[in-house]
Amino acid sequence: LAKTTQPISMDSYEGQEVNITCSHNNIATNDYITWYQQFPSQGPRFIIQGYKTKVTNEVASLFIPADRKSSTLSLPRVSLSDTAVYYCLVGYLSGTYKYIFGTGTRLKVLA
Amino acid sequence: ETGVTQTPRHLVMGMTNKKSLKCEQHLGHNAMYWYKQSAKKPLELMFVYSLEERVENNSVPSRFSPECPNSSHLFLHLHTLQPEDSALYLCASSQSHGQGDTEAFFGQGTRLTVV
Repeated sequence: LAKTTQPISMDSYEGQEVNITCSHNNIATNDYITWYQQFPSQGPRFIIQGYKTKVTNEVASLFIPADRKSSTLSLPRVSLSDTAVYYCLVGYLSGTYKYIFGTGTRLKVLA
Repeated sequence: ETGVTQTPRHLVMGMTNKKSLKCEQHLGHNAMYWYKQSAKKPLELMFVYSLEERVENNSVPSRFSPECPNSSHLFLHLHTLQPEDSALYLCASSQSHGQGDTEAFFGQGTRLTVV
């Protein structure tokens, strides 16, 4: 079972780049790394997903080193509206794939 | 708007009541999920349906009963709940279940309070 470890919380200022790292030491060969964003009283929203190296979309980048035991979500130039909880997930195969959410990182963006 | 709609958004029920939560997805997905999120706790996967058949039941008490009448609808029937069951109940769907690169789409959740 691939467990994830993230910092509990982070503070940043508007306009800065924010990097949130997730450790997943026992990630398996077939596991993907997925990040979700959640605002209070709402469901999580998909941000980005990757398997190895680097993935970039219109809102974030995901950096995955060669050993895949960690990954870093990078949010460029954050704004106040990026204040949310960010979850790193690693799917694991046990019969079928499962996603287990960790405790997440609470990001607070300050003006 | 994620394409997954949950009703009601808020629900207060007594411990002897029976109520149901409804989830509907308009994405043509084949897999649907119920999650529970308690205060300051990570999301807990409760049930998984794939092609209208239950494929996961993660040791959830029998006072929670899911139903998937078709691939677009998912219900969670509630009866004789306890105050500790108060939480945000989230429904999600994905194109399929059983692949690591599947993206899940979540509804906005039902905030349940058991009194």
